[in-house]
Amino acid sequence: AQSVTQLDSHVSVSEGTPVLLRCNYSSSYSPSLFWYVQHPNKGLQLLLKYTSAATLVKGINGFEAEFKKSETSFHLTKPSAHMSDAAEYFCVVSPRLYNQGGKLIFGQGTELSVKP
Amino acid sequence: GAVVSQHPSWVICKSGTSVKIECRSLDFQATTMFWYRQFPKQSLMLMATSNEGSKATYEQGVEKDKFLINHASLTLSTLTVTSAHPEDSSFYICSARYRNQPQHFGDGTRLSIL
Repeated sequence: AQSVTQLDSHVSVSEGTPVLLRCNYSSSYSPSLFWYVQHPNKGLQLLLKYTSAATLVKGINGFEAEFKKSETSFHLTKPSAHMSDAAEYFCVVSPRLYNQGGKLIFGQGTELSVKP
Repeated sequence: GAVVSQHPSWVICKSGTSVKIECRSLDFQATTMFWYRQFPKQSLMLMATSNEGSKATYEQGVEKDKFLINHASLTLSTLTVTSAHPEDSSFYICSARYRNQPQHFGDGTRLSIL
């Protein structure tokens, strides 16, 4: 069975400080992993995706994530938070590698707040 | 980048009416489209998956007669909420993908049933 756990429901940081959003996954197969961001009353925007051997994945808006198979983790980071980063973030797994568009399994989301 | 347009973005209607939501892929052919429902402060719940030209596959617990899905072309899928009631009020989001590429999401539709 596949599952995704986002370890924090809410994270608050100050503008200019680093961001860490934690995600652990469980998958019987080599998965595809994604991070999506959702701003209020909007759909989801793809931040980055992991589908290959490159364990450090760079995404848009300065975000990156590191795939650690031994820890079954895919944490999202950003060196310096911006006010516009305040949003809901979803860690998502698609169970099979190279099937990036199959049925997605969503984490429960992490709300990121950025203080001025 | 891939763009998915969802319309309307907000709809308010009376109980008992039917509401149609459109999802269009603007710059790619969507071989598969997905419909999700999202409750406040919660994650997305997959309702159904539709492939162009075939019947939608509904997730367990989703009433297919209540939520009618049509995927008539490679760029358009519609979700019709039939005889809507207040408990159907929610945020509905569609996504589309081309073959095994990542899903691209619409901006969602806020449905409020009075």
